[in-house]
Amino acid sequence: GIQVEQSPPDLILQEGANSTLRCNFSDSVNNLQWFHQNPWGQLINLFYIPSGTKQNGRLSATTVATERYSLLYISSSQTTDSGVYFCAVLAGNKLVFGAGTILRVKS
Amino acid sequence: DTGVSQDPRHKITKRGQNVTFRCDPISEHNRLYWYRQTLGQGPEFLTYFQNEAQLEKSRLLSDRFSAERPKGSFSTLEIQRTEQGDSAMYLCASSHTGVDGYTFGSGTRLTVV
Repeated sequence: GIQVEQSPPDLILQEGANSTLRCNFSDSVNNLQWFHQNPWGQLINLFYIPSGTKQNGRLSATTVATERYSLLYISSSQTTDSGVYFCAVLAGNKLVFGAGTILRVKS
Repeated sequence: DTGVSQDPRHKITKRGQNVTFRCDPISEHNRLYWYRQTLGQGPEFLTYFQNEAQLEKSRLLSDRFSAERPKGSFSTLEIQRTEQGDSAMYLCASSHTGVDGYTFGSGTRLTVV
């Protein structure tokens, strides 16, 4: 089945710093989503981005489907950005998740 | 629209007991999914309903697991004869045909002691 790999596995940032999270996937996809899981376990859908670039405030995402990767950019990080970031691709009827990137933003 | 609701938020049970979790999806969503997440891992697919029909089940869903979605509304996930390896976060999500993007509930954290 399709494989989803995320890097880095964990990241520590000083508040105000920028970061880039990467997601590589092993097969062509037409549905890729980025999620943020907060410390209470809630998964929040950040972007649906099968291709191209989208921006939402301090967050933006780019997917290059032909090269099978997606990037999530976080600018001017805040402590509330802490948590785990997952990318997931649709395989049939199910989402296949990567192992996530644990982000800790220090004040 | 109150989002996807899951109940209970936490459940501690003794090994061998049966447990049941409930998920109430967003009302206009016809698709409902159950996922399981263990510590340090991403969520893994368990099963999928379109309306009341269970259309796909993962190999992770052993005979001790059963899920239902009567009338295509809320869903229940039952685990019989729980084992310590069942300890995990159980997540429910819903979506609508033709609309991309899932909405996840807050999950039920199960601890089997």
